[in-house]
Amino acid sequence: EAQVTQNPRYLITVTGKKLTVTCSQNMNHEYMSWYRQDPGLGLRQIYYSMNVEVTDKGDVPEGYKVSRKEKRNFPLILESPSPNQTSLYFCASSWSGGGDEQYFGPGTRLTVT
Amino acid sequence: SQQGEEDPQALSIQEGENATMNCSYKTSINNLQWYRQNSGRGLVHLILIRSNEREKHSGRLRVTLDTSKKSSSLLITASRAADTASYFCATDPYGNKLVFGAGTILRVKS
Repeated sequence: EAQVTQNPRYLITVTGKKLTVTCSQNMNHEYMSWYRQDPGLGLRQIYYSMNVEVTDKGDVPEGYKVSRKEKRNFPLILESPSPNQTSLYFCASSWSGGGDEQYFGPGTRLTVT
Repeated sequence: SQQGEEDPQALSIQEGENATMNCSYKTSINNLQWYRQNSGRGLVHLILIRSNEREKHSGRLRVTLDTSKKSSSLLITASRAADTASYFCATDPYGNKLVFGAGTILRVKS
């Protein structure tokens, strides 16, 4: 089954404790991206990647890191999480870019206390 | 910054009625997409319309695009309770970035 998976689905952590949210797709998509969703703000893009070793900033990259060492994986790293990063996070992938149909993961709800 | 802005923010209709949602954007685009989200779950792609298209249909969905007004509309005909969800437009104004609006919450009462 074609899908985008994210882990964990729920995470409660404390300020400053490094964490990684994994994202994996099995569709051989070139493009992958991360979004955060906050009430009243819709989805805001954090980072995106056009291919292996090619990443670029979205609209809200501060406080986040990403890497794309393999085509199927695109982890999101929070080196020192803060309470303002409490949010619902989505990973998505597509064949070739932001203008293509995006396939979304189920989301990761992160709470930073 | 928000490229796409949906209108209205919330819409409540009876089953069987039509629902219309609008999206406005600020800069030139290649494509405009509409997505549906059920209660905090992942977004599901509904339809994509290219900048050189004016109208597109998919089942009970009809999307229009007016590039001169920088606006799009999504019409859901003969709505069902299962259409209750949030609807987002998304545009690609800056190369491979994708920018979403704040969404319209649709409630269909049975």
